Amino acid sequence: DTGVSQNPRHKITKRGQNVTFRCDPISEHNRLYWYRQTLGQGPEFLTYFQNEAQLEKSRLLSDRFSAERPKGSFSTLEIQRTEQGDSAMYLCASSLGEDTQETQYFGPGTRLLVL
Amino acid sequence: AQTVTQSQPEMSVQEAETVTLSCTYDTSESNYYLFWYKQPPSRQMILVIRQEAYKQQNATENRFSVNFQKAAKSFSLKISDSQLGDTAMYFCAFMRGAQKLVFGQGTRLTINP
Repeated sequence: DTGVSQNPRHKITKRGQNVTFRCDPISEHNRLYWYRQTLGQGPEFLTYFQNEAQLEKSRLLSDRFSAERPKGSFSTLEIQRTEQGDSAMYLCASSLGEDTQETQYFGPGTRLLVL
Repeated sequence: AQTVTQSQPEMSVQEAETVTLSCTYDTSESNYYLFWYKQPPSRQMILVIRQEAYKQQNATENRFSVNFQKAAKSFSLKISDSQLGDTAMYFCAFMRGAQKLVFGQGTRLTINP
């Protein structure tokens, strides 16, 4: 069974550009989560999906951020008009979503640097 | 809102020693899950151990065990016979139901040869 994969692993962009990240969860995991982690800090929740439905969004997720999971499989996170403060590691995690299997499994992350 | 606090930013021990990492949390919920995740340098986050709040018995996974004190809202991680590969950031996390994880600030653990 393959783990959670994320692409790209690294992204350098200039301020004002748009970027898109992709996350492929563990197959048959119906919940998918996005977190942001800045250097030396714990991850902070951004949003999560149950199948294709986006169930919760953090107030950290400004209007410049949008996430989709169109077919309930992979997900994309887009940041429009990037700012230097968006520089962080963006982590994706997935879980089965059943009562007894709530462990979230993380991908390797996408490290974003905004110049 | 739930909060998780890890009061030890850094710890360092010699190989083969036992080390305990502290974690406290604040919640008004009665049913929840607690986790310890490990994030090695430049590598991805992996689960170390999990604890269901309704279980009184402390979870163990090989050299890793927890001391879960529900009334005190404390959830410490003990690593026995520490190994060089245990060097990592360790994050304590809280989850209510099948929802978001709330992480602490992390403890940077270094195992010295």
